[in-house]
Amino acid sequence: GENVEQHPSTLSVQEGDSAVIKCTYSDSASNYFPWYKQELGKRPQLIIDIRSNVGEKKDQRIAVTLNKTAKHFSLHITETQPEDSAVYFCAALFGNEKLTFGTGTRLTIIP
Amino acid sequence: SAVISQKPSRDICQRGTSLTIQCQVDSQVTMMFWYRQQPGQSLTLIATANQGSEATYESGFVIDKFPISRPNLTFSTLTVSNMSPEDSSIYLCSVGTGVTGELFFGEGSRLTVL
Repeated sequence: GENVEQHPSTLSVQEGDSAVIKCTYSDSASNYFPWYKQELGKRPQLIIDIRSNVGEKKDQRIAVTLNKTAKHFSLHITETQPEDSAVYFCAALFGNEKLTFGTGTRLTIIP
Repeated sequence: SAVISQKPSRDICQRGTSLTIQCQVDSQVTMMFWYRQQPGQSLTLIATANQGSEATYESGFVIDKFPISRPNLTFSTLTVSNMSPEDSSIYLCSVGTGVTGELFFGEGSRLTVL
């Protein structure tokens, strides 16, 4: 089945600095890659996604890049703020309808 | 996006009992899924809830342990049967928007099995 690896598992950055989380996937047919943010005790929230026909997508301080050849995609958060502290999950679409999630990255923004 | 309501939001259960979680969506949706999130872990797909037919289970999950119903396009239930402490998890209902892959989650049901 589909496998999604995510790194790092934990990440601490100074407020105002950038954070980068990376994921790789195994199924070259995957064509949809969302990122979810999960705050403590809350549901995962879709924050940005990218499809395989584009290489990069931005939404204010967050961006996602995709390298289909290498089968990896990354989440970039610039000018980090304390409210960015959360667990972030990448995912890849498998079989055109099922998402497989990465193992998660716990991001801590240090004030 | 659709409003997804789950209940109960949390429960404490005794070993050997069963609990049914309900998921209600405020609009008709094609795809409904049930995920499990064990403490400190990622999300694992249990099954796809199919309207009017048996659910499609992922490897490692079976109907006898996790029976699922989906009588219509806005409602589904997941039962966790014969619970053990290992079943202590958050169970999340999720729905697809019809845009391929896009998925939104309910608030989750946090089960603790003693």
